[in-house]
Amino acid sequence: QKEVEQDPGPLSVPEGAIVSLNCTYSNSAFQYFMWYRQYSRKGPELLMYTYSSGNKEDGRFTAQVDKSSKYISLFIRDSQPSDSATYLCAMSGDTGGFKTIFGAGTRLFVKA
Amino acid sequence: GAVVSQHPSWVICKSGTSVKIECRSLDFQATTMFWYRQFPKQSLMLMATSNEGSKATYEQGVEKDKFLINHASLTLSTLTVTSAHPEDSSFYICSARGRAVSYEQYFGPGTRLTVT
Repeated sequence: QKEVEQDPGPLSVPEGAIVSLNCTYSNSAFQYFMWYRQYSRKGPELLMYTYSSGNKEDGRFTAQVDKSSKYISLFIRDSQPSDSATYLCAMSGDTGGFKTIFGAGTRLFVKA
Repeated sequence: GAVVSQHPSWVICKSGTSVKIECRSLDFQATTMFWYRQFPKQSLMLMATSNEGSKATYEQGVEKDKFLINHASLTLSTLTVTSAHPEDSSFYICSARGRAVSYEQYFGPGTRLTVT
């Protein structure tokens, strides 16, 4: 079993839809949860991070962490064609030198 | 802030030659830098972790003699692919972690290596 599981997609939605991206994990030591966005042939960029459980909102993006279920989500409201990218979840803990474990990434296509 | 650059962004080389890729943190000091490899439509594969002034720690299955990593300063790390072969063709991405924050990694734009 991988430490972090993420459905690679692709996920295709119409413009304006609400997008839900998810990851599950197995290591209960993870405390820091990140979402990165990667456009084709570019490096990933940090989109959001959350410490421990809870929600965090930033514009059209909302990150949720449910540590009891070992489940994290990223919601994108009013999705735009420019949101088309690969979204990678990532997580890290206080042990192991904060080694970050990445999910496989979900490819998202938002159709105009 | 937190900008990481990579050079070159794209390189083509002949089989058997060596290629050096530079990774720089432009506006912060990076105590730790990471090198990743990414194949098309696949996720990041961590190759090695380097701390400034120390030898790099390579992930299992990564040949340290083939992928030489140097982290000589707090703003510069280099990856040298020695005696490159076509199977080394890939997208190489570095990331850097600064002192103040221990979980955030800032990624460079990546370098596309094509070995002919």
